[in-house]
Amino acid sequence: AQTVTQSQPEMSVQEAETVTLSCTYDTSESDYYLFWYKQPPSRQMILVIRQEAYKQQNATENRFSVNFQKAAKSFSLKISDSQLGDAAMYFCAYRIHQTGANNLFFGTGTRLTVIP
Amino acid sequence: KAGVTQTPRYLIKTRGQQVTLSCSPISGHRSVSWYQQTPGQGLQFLFEYFSETQRNKGNFPGRFSGRQFSNSRSEMNVSTLELGDSALYLCASSLQGPGYEQYFGPGTRLTVT
Repeated sequence: AQTVTQSQPEMSVQEAETVTLSCTYDTSESDYYLFWYKQPPSRQMILVIRQEAYKQQNATENRFSVNFQKAAKSFSLKISDSQLGDAAMYFCAYRIHQTGANNLFFGTGTRLTVIP
Repeated sequence: KAGVTQTPRYLIKTRGQQVTLSCSPISGHRSVSWYQQTPGQGLQFLFEYFSETQRNKGNFPGRFSGRQFSNSRSEMNVSTLELGDSALYLCASSLQGPGYEQYFGPGTRLTVT
């Protein structure tokens, strides 16, 4: 069974500083995708970044980057130069690479507070 | 391009009633997935529809059902509502293929009293 674990229910960061959110997952699959989604108070789930398991290079999107450790089944999100607009719930998610299996498995989320 | 839209945004129902939620995917997206979000259980996958066929189903009772129309719009129905069905219901659409991201709608907040 696929499970995604986010061990930090809440995190806080000073504006302009860097914060890292943790995520571990359990799977027997070798080919899959990992995602970080952001859910601000407006509730709209927004994709932050994605990582294909077959790629060794860590994904980067502007101020957001991941540290993907496939052997350790770890997928952390680093937010650099944190901004007030980064305050939200962050969900780590997993999906297998298989046509017809579009469902995402989500972690329980980390609430990020950005302190001005 | 317009995003995923869900209607209604808020809904209050009484225990025992049934409810239908609607989702319009991004133009060109033929895959529509539904998720339930609650404080206790988090985000859980309900089902996915592709080309009017249910392709995948999560672990929910038969009271939860859905369908997809030829224009890819999808509806989900919950019959005999229970208090525990109170949740945010999220719809997501994507292009065909495992490599494509899912784009989420704003959700429908269902409250069962």
